[in-house]
Amino acid sequence: AQSVTQLDSQVPVFEEAPVELRCNYSSSVSVYLFWYVQYPNQGLQLLLKYLSGSTLVKGINGFEAEFNKSQTSFHLRKPSVHISDTAEYFCAVLRYSSASKIIFGSGTRLSIRP
Amino acid sequence: DTGVSQNPRHKITKRGQNVTFRCDPISEHNRLYWYRQTLGQGPEFLTYFQNEAQLEKSRLLSDRFSAERPKGSFSTLEIQRTEQGDSAMYLCASSLVSTGGFNEQFFGPGTRLTVL
Repeated sequence: AQSVTQLDSQVPVFEEAPVELRCNYSSSVSVYLFWYVQYPNQGLQLLLKYLSGSTLVKGINGFEAEFNKSQTSFHLRKPSVHISDTAEYFCAVLRYSSASKIIFGSGTRLSIRP
Repeated sequence: DTGVSQNPRHKITKRGQNVTFRCDPISEHNRLYWYRQTLGQGPEFLTYFQNEAQLEKSRLLSDRFSAERPKGSFSTLEIQRTEQGDSAMYLCASSLVSTGGFNEQFFGPGTRLTVL
């Protein structure tokens, strides 16, 4: 079975400061890795994904994430956040052999202070 | 906008009533998924369809829940005899599955159910 742990339920940061949202996963099989963003009263939007190849993945809105196989981590980073980045962020995995269920973490609420 | 649409966006019902939600996937997407998201948690998989066939159901989908996708296009999720524990956001997603590889799931805005 797969599981995803997001270590921080809330992360407050000041505008223009850097941010890192942490994610660790557990799986006995190979998985794809994702970060989704959910703005208030909206559905989920894919921020970025790791399928294979380079371990540093760049996504939309200036976010990037690094896949670390030895530490089973996939932390999300942004060098300078904006007020508009205020949202809930979900780390997720999908088994290679499964085209069905995505397993999500419990989410990290990013709040940006002016 | 040709994304995934869900109706209604909000539903308030009394305990014991039946409710039905509708999901319209992106046109020509052959796979459709339902997830449930409770407050403070990430979405949890409920079930998915390949065209009109329901291929997998989670243990979360009790016998009070039924999902259909009769013509392989839109889908409905019905909850009978609702309970307060059913209060959640119900998310629908769709994808186009071809041969092998990764197929991105596109999510709708969700239906928020409140059971009083």
